[in-house]
Amino acid sequence: GEDVEQSLFLSVREGDSSVINCTYTDSSSTYLYWYKQEPGAGLQLLTYIFSNMDMKQDQRLTVLLNKKDKHLSLRIADTQTGDSAIYFCALIMEYGNKLVFGAGTILRVKS
Amino acid sequence: EPEVTQTPSHQVTQMGQEVILRCVPISNHLYFYWYRQILGQKVEFLVSFYNNEISEKSEIFDDQFSVERPDGSNFTLKIRSTKLEDSAMYFCASSFGTVGTEAFFGQGTRLTVV
Repeated sequence: GEDVEQSLFLSVREGDSSVINCTYTDSSSTYLYWYKQEPGAGLQLLTYIFSNMDMKQDQRLTVLLNKKDKHLSLRIADTQTGDSAIYFCALIMEYGNKLVFGAGTILRVKS
Repeated sequence: EPEVTQTPSHQVTQMGQEVILRCVPISNHLYFYWYRQILGQKVEFLVSFYNNEISEKSEIFDDQFSVERPDGSNFTLKIRSTKLEDSAMYFCASSFGTVGTEAFFGQGTRLTVV
């Protein structure tokens, strides 16, 4: 089945950019998502990208998709302490409706 | 802002007991889901539900599990005879459409089987 991998932990200083990476195995993924989970809260959709796109920008968030390398990244510009959370990469396969998640990356922002 | 709500937030149960986890999806949504996350592991898909029937389920969703939409608002996950390995955070989600539409997640129910 599909496998989605993320690095476990990222620590950055307030004001710096954060880059969270994700790799996946199946090239038939159609939509690729980034979810954020704050302590005690559910999974909040941050942004998503369709598989025929290379890049999507939404305010401080930039998503890059490299289909050849099966690599997805989320860049957060001017990272704030409020961005500290767990970030999940997830994708939907062609003809499917279920999200396949990575294990999540813990982002810690130091002030 | 509309949200998915789950109750209870934490449930402790004895092994072998039945539990029902409850969810109230967003009112105009048509697709409903359960996911779970065992501590330290990935969020895993359990089941999707549309038009009053299961549309897809994973290998995890065996005969011990069932889902129901008993009325127009609730969506429940029942585990008939809980095992220690069922201990996890269970997330309910709902969406208006399928692929490409946003799935809204609840805050989760932490199930602890002792």
